[in-house]
Amino acid sequence: SQQGEEDPQALSIQEGENATMNCSYKTSINNLQWYRQNSGRGLVHLILIRSNEREKHSGRLRVTLDTSKKSSSLLITASRAADTASYFCATDEAGTALIFGKGTTLSVSS
Amino acid sequence: GAGVSQSPRYKVAKRGQDVALRCDPISGHVSLFWYQQALGQGPEFLTYFQNEAQLDKSGLPSDRFFAERPEGSVSTLKIQRTQQEDSAVYLCASSSPDRGVNSPLHFGNGTRLTVT
Repeated sequence: SQQGEEDPQALSIQEGENATMNCSYKTSINNLQWYRQNSGRGLVHLILIRSNEREKHSGRLRVTLDTSKKSSSLLITASRAADTASYFCATDEAGTALIFGKGTTLSVSS
Repeated sequence: GAGVSQSPRYKVAKRGQDVALRCDPISGHVSLFWYQQALGQGPEFLTYFQNEAQLDKSGLPSDRFFAERPEGSVSTLKIQRTQQEDSAVYLCASSSPDRGVNSPLHFGNGTRLTVT
């Protein structure tokens, strides 16, 4: 089963623009994580935000979490061609495993 | 090793054949997870080990799927009598000790299984 749902499914932008993708989930969580996946590769962890946090930054990444709306957003500022990838949110469900959404495919053109 | 290693990278099996997929987690990582990823979809949870104990196998789609981690390090995912719907990328991930789902997962590059 997949808990998170990312929106949009696909996003195309120019280098230098900002990219925003959203994630919604259904049940209560302890933390939410974002991952990146380049074509043909495994997922790479980007950032973890705990349920008692509202915003977190890491380099050009900014993640927000609104537990009342059960939603999170990932903002990538000043995007680069190398940011082209699929992005997934994942939440902890029942405490044993991360449940991933279907992902947002980001394409950054130069 | 430096990261999670999976082998083989690609596997083609004829329908009905058995396959075995291997995962070498990061040394010292207690938690190990298997996920199945269909084309264009997110990873779907299959099973979870803490050391050699399989604590959750609720995601295994049928009794044709079996996973083991006998010595608490290397894990093998076995699929018996493969079907076309088993075609997917199988991802293995490990995480640092004592933190389980509350810590980042380190993924391998996966095994792409194609059943013909």
